[in-house]
Amino acid sequence: DQQVKQNSPSLSVQEGRISILNCDYTNSMFDYFLWYKKYPAEGPTFLISISSIKDKNEDGRFTVFLNKSAKHLSLHIVPSQPGDSAVYFCAARWLSGSEKLVFGKGTKLTVNP
Amino acid sequence: DTGVSQNPRHKITKRGQNVTFRCDPISEHNRLYWYRQTLGQGPEFLTYFQNEAQLEKSRLLSDRFSAERPKGSFSTLEIQRTEQGDSAMYLCASSGTGGHQPQHFGDGTRLSIL
Repeated sequence: DQQVKQNSPSLSVQEGRISILNCDYTNSMFDYFLWYKKYPAEGPTFLISISSIKDKNEDGRFTVFLNKSAKHLSLHIVPSQPGDSAVYFCAARWLSGSEKLVFGKGTKLTVNP
Repeated sequence: DTGVSQNPRHKITKRGQNVTFRCDPISEHNRLYWYRQTLGQGPEFLTYFQNEAQLEKSRLLSDRFSAERPKGSFSTLEIQRTEQGDSAMYLCASSGTGGHQPQHFGDGTRLSIL
C-alpha cells in the first residue's frame, strides 16, 4: 500500500514555463517532506524540503507547497530549464520513531527547448 | 566537498554467490542509510545506523542480508546466497543529526544476478 503517491509518471513542459510536480500522501503522521532529483546512472540529489509546520518553502527557482488538510504537496520550478529534465521523487518521514524516508515512484520531467 | 561514495558501481554475479558493497558517507555525518531501488520504483528503505549502532531494519532485509558499520564511519552491505530478485540498485545515504536533516545519496551499486 503506497503511502506516498506520485500519480503522474511523466510531465513535459516548455523551457521558461512553470513545471508543477504533485505528490499525495496518506499518513498524517508524516512531518517532513523532501524532493529529490535523479539523473540516469546517478543517485538521487536532494533539492528542497519542508517541515509540516510550514506551508511553503522557497529556494531559488524551486518552491515546495504543503497542504496538510489535503495531504498534498507540490514542487514548482520557475522558470524551467532543459537541465531540469530528470526524474523527481517525493519523500516523507514520520514524526517520530523512524528515520526512514518513504518515497513515491517518481515523475519524469522533460523540459523542451 | 566529498559526497557519499559507493563501491563498486556495478556488480555482476551468479545466483548463489555472496556479494559485499561498501559505502563511505559524508565525513561529518553520523547517520548512514541503505536503500534498494528497482526499475520504476522509488528507493525502499533497508536499514540505518547512527554511528556504529544499527537502529532500524526493514522487513525487506531478510536474513541473507547483513549490514555493518564497525567504526561508525564506512558501512558494508553483504548479501549471501544471492537470488534473481536481489537484482537492483543499492543506494547509500548519510545525514547529520538534530532537527530536520536531509539524506544525501551516493550514486549506488547496481547488482545484476545472472
